[in-house]
Amino acid sequence: GAGVSQSPSNKVTEKGKDVELRCDPISGHTALYWYRQRLGQGLEFLIYFQGNSAPDKSGLPSDRFSAERTGESVSTLTIQRTQQEDSAVYLCASSTGLAGKETQYFGPGTRLLVL
Amino acid sequence: KQEVTQIPAALSVPEGENLVLNCSFTDSAIYNLQWFRQDPGKGLTSLLLIQSSQREQTSGRLNASLDKSSGRSTLYIAASQPGDSATYLCAVFSGTYKYIFGTGTRLKVLA
Repeated sequence: GAGVSQSPSNKVTEKGKDVELRCDPISGHTALYWYRQRLGQGLEFLIYFQGNSAPDKSGLPSDRFSAERTGESVSTLTIQRTQQEDSAVYLCASSTGLAGKETQYFGPGTRLLVL
Repeated sequence: KQEVTQIPAALSVPEGENLVLNCSFTDSAIYNLQWFRQDPGKGLTSLLLIQSSQREQTSGRLNASLDKSSGRSTLYIAASQPGDSATYLCAVFSGTYKYIFGTGTRLKVLA
């Protein structure tokens, strides 16, 4: 079946612009995660959605970052007034069952470059 | 605060060698630990998932061990091949519903 997909695959934007990144999880996966990976660094947790529960937003670096998820399907990560330090690969992952018990499946990521 | 460290940061070996990648974590109260592979320009692929109650998991030429009390995990790769060249990441899940990732080991297997 289809894996996790993300769009766009690459995004170049100017400082100060807003960007919206999209993640389509595997069908039936109730858990969805967003991560950020800066060049040469590890993955940094941003936000976690589990079913209809309130999301865990504790990893969002500033109030310029927000994310939404419609039910157990598509999620969008929005970055407002982008800064150069936002340049990174944004990765989405989904999993089924209890968080922490199941394997995470990752999308290919969106490479964001803020000029 | 959970911190995950991977050593070495980079490793280059000739084809056919057996090798060990190390992962250490500061808080032993984890639910599970996962090893991932990341190829350049691509997302992560899960290799092995070890639950906190398990000591090891095996998949083909890969074997991962977990010692919770000492805060360590190792990924053993037998008979390495050039196709194994990638960055290997470990991640621990220690509650609050998020994984904490190490910075990875960049492996290059020379033909």
